[in-house]
Amino acid sequence: DIQMTQSPSTLSASVGDRVTITCRASQSIRSWLAWYQQKPGKAPIILISEASNLESGVPSRFSGSGSGTEFTLTITSLQPDDFATYYCQQYDSYPRSFGQGTKLEIK
Amino acid sequence: DVQLLESGGGLVQPGGSLRLSCAASGFTFRNYVMSWVRQAPGKGLEWVSAVSGSGDQTYYAHSVKGRFTISRDNSKNTLYLQMNSLRAEDTAVYYCAKDRGWNLFIDYWGQGNLVAVSS
Repeated sequence: DIQMTQSPSTLSASVGDRVTITCRASQSIRSWLAWYQQKPGKAPIILISEASNLESGVPSRFSGSGSGTEFTLTITSLQPDDFATYYCQQYDSYPRSFGQGTKLEIK
Repeated sequence: DVQLLESGGGLVQPGGSLRLSCAASGFTFRNYVMSWVRQAPGKGLEWVSAVSGSGDQTYYAHSVKGRFTISRDNSKNTLYLQMNSLRAEDTAVYYCAKDRGWNLFIDYWGQGNLVAVSS
């Protein structure tokens, strides 16, 4: 089974900052990686698919990169609405797996 | 618009059973892989299970294999999760989710349904 490891677990930042979250897979998942945003009490929403494909309606300040085993989610110019928890998920094979999450907090 | 509405959650004793349902609308249900994902209180997301559009292929997390059964009724546009031999560690919000396509990612989620396993 593929294990997904995110870092950091918590990230403190200010409005306007640029932040990067890393996700590592225990084996190659090619580009079959998605990023989700989740706010407290709400279901996750899809931000990025296939490692770097920005989903419709997602602001362009979000971007993803990587392939194989190492991936990043970057948010430029943080907005108040971006403070949330972010998860990566591999969909290269079953069982699917998520990273443990990165909580983005206001500094 | 895609809508996924879960039901059937609640409080159950350890060792008990529960069946979750997810009523889907706004898309051609039989054409899409459907999944269940759970989230224990204060914890991260855990993928649980998935079923192919026709229902003939199913996949499970190791933590639930042999205890949970995913199924679907395409005539009713409804997804199910039969949960048996429930344990305290199964306590979570259970999300019904739709995949974008075969071997693709989740693109829509239900609002979630709480299952609490406790004596």
